[in-house]
Amino acid sequence: DADVTQTPRNRITKTGKRIMLECSQTKGHDRMYWYRQDPGLGLRLIYYSFDVKDINKGEISDGYSVSRQAQAKFSLSLESAIPNQTALYFCATSSLGTSGYNEQFFGPGTRLTVL
Amino acid sequence: AQKVTQAQTEISVVEKEDVTLDCVYETRDTTYYLFWYKQPPSGELVFLIRRNSFDEQNEISGRYSWNFQKSTSSFNFTITASQVVDSAVYFCALSEAYGSARQLTFGSGTQLTVLP
Repeated sequence: DADVTQTPRNRITKTGKRIMLECSQTKGHDRMYWYRQDPGLGLRLIYYSFDVKDINKGEISDGYSVSRQAQAKFSLSLESAIPNQTALYFCATSSLGTSGYNEQFFGPGTRLTVL
Repeated sequence: AQKVTQAQTEISVVEKEDVTLDCVYETRDTTYYLFWYKQPPSGELVFLIRRNSFDEQNEISGRYSWNFQKSTSSFNFTITASQVVDSAVYFCALSEAYGSARQLTFGSGTQLTVLP
């Protein structure tokens, strides 16, 4: 089974709808992240969380909100979806460990289309 | 602010050719980490390598090799004897080593197409 899972994998919705993307991990990592990928722009950080009580905005948080329901679960919500939020969304996890590395492990991605 | 530049948007080579993907970064930190990820057509992101800023030794893993040059702020990736399965988007990324955030800053990616 995959260590980082995302649901749904694909979603088509309409402008103005509320959408929730979910991420679960079995790696036991404390840090979780949400990114969006747009063609030619690479991945940009939306929100990140270091534990259940710690939520931080990333580079492009406007129009998004998150919830860290448990150490293993991190959800991304679009309160009122708009077409320019059409993108590929990735969840990632990491753990500092004793070495201090910030290697991130990514989920399979959720392709969201807002019509 | 950190920045990663992958100037090559698309590269196309014929199978068995060698190809180098360029990565140039900017950071004010003296200690940092550099990464390469591969995104095949299926869409997932696959971790390839991590490099510390204080370790400038080049690394080779099979057909893959990485050349880290701190003096030119570059971390280039070479695939030797390319294969069709190497076709993917490759991302270079940079992370600060200290501080609570330790966010990854990604380049815009290089689309590599290996033709049979």
